Amino acid sequence: SQTIHQWPATLVQPVGSPLSLECTVEGTSNPNLYWYRQAAGRGLQLLFYSVGIGQISSEVPQNLSASRPQDRQFILSSKKLLLSDSGFYLCAWRAGRRADSPLHFGNGTRLTVT
Amino acid sequence: AQKITQTQPGMFVQEKEAVTLDCTYDTSDQSYGLFWYKQPSSGEMIFLIYQGSYDEQNATEGRYSLNFQKARKSANLVISASQLGDSAMYFCAMREPTTDSWGKLQFGAGTQVVVTP
Repeated sequence: SQTIHQWPATLVQPVGSPLSLECTVEGTSNPNLYWYRQAAGRGLQLLFYSVGIGQISSEVPQNLSASRPQDRQFILSSKKLLLSDSGFYLCAWRAGRRADSPLHFGNGTRLTVT
Repeated sequence: AQKITQTQPGMFVQEKEAVTLDCTYDTSDQSYGLFWYKQPSSGEMIFLIYQGSYDEQNATEGRYSLNFQKARKSANLVISASQLGDSAMYFCAMREPTTDSWGKLQFGAGTQVVVTP
């Protein structure tokens, strides 16, 4: 069966520090991968998505970046965090290409920038 | 522009009662898909139910059903026989068009449901 791992679960970082959040998927190959961010009490905002190794599309230009060095690995990074980067970051993958295939989410990383 | 609108920020429902969560959407595509997710306080997003724009019947999945009114562009989630474990945030999401191989989902702001004994 397929599983998605996301870590760390919580992170407190000072303003101006770098960030690296990692997500890996097991039990499938060539998945579509996604990074979403959720502000407190709000809906999910799509940040990046990837359809293959090295292929990254950005939805919201900002000081975050994403990379996909391996088929089932998706990394969210920042060189210098801002206070506004605080939020709940969710990685997701898509099972197949069917129209009804949902996104499956990891447990998320709660990032607080101080 | 907002594509998915969930007008109810919060709702209280008594155990064993049914609750309807509203969702309206905006699209010019004829082919699209609508999804509902549940987010408990722990944070994980749990997929509940899917409705395709060409589906003739309303989707059902256990205690979850979708009241899909295409002309009104609404896809309301009905939870029957509410349980305490149904207390969570509920999100409506849309994928457009269904031929989009990227599979991106756009989410509404969510509705917080609290089930009371």
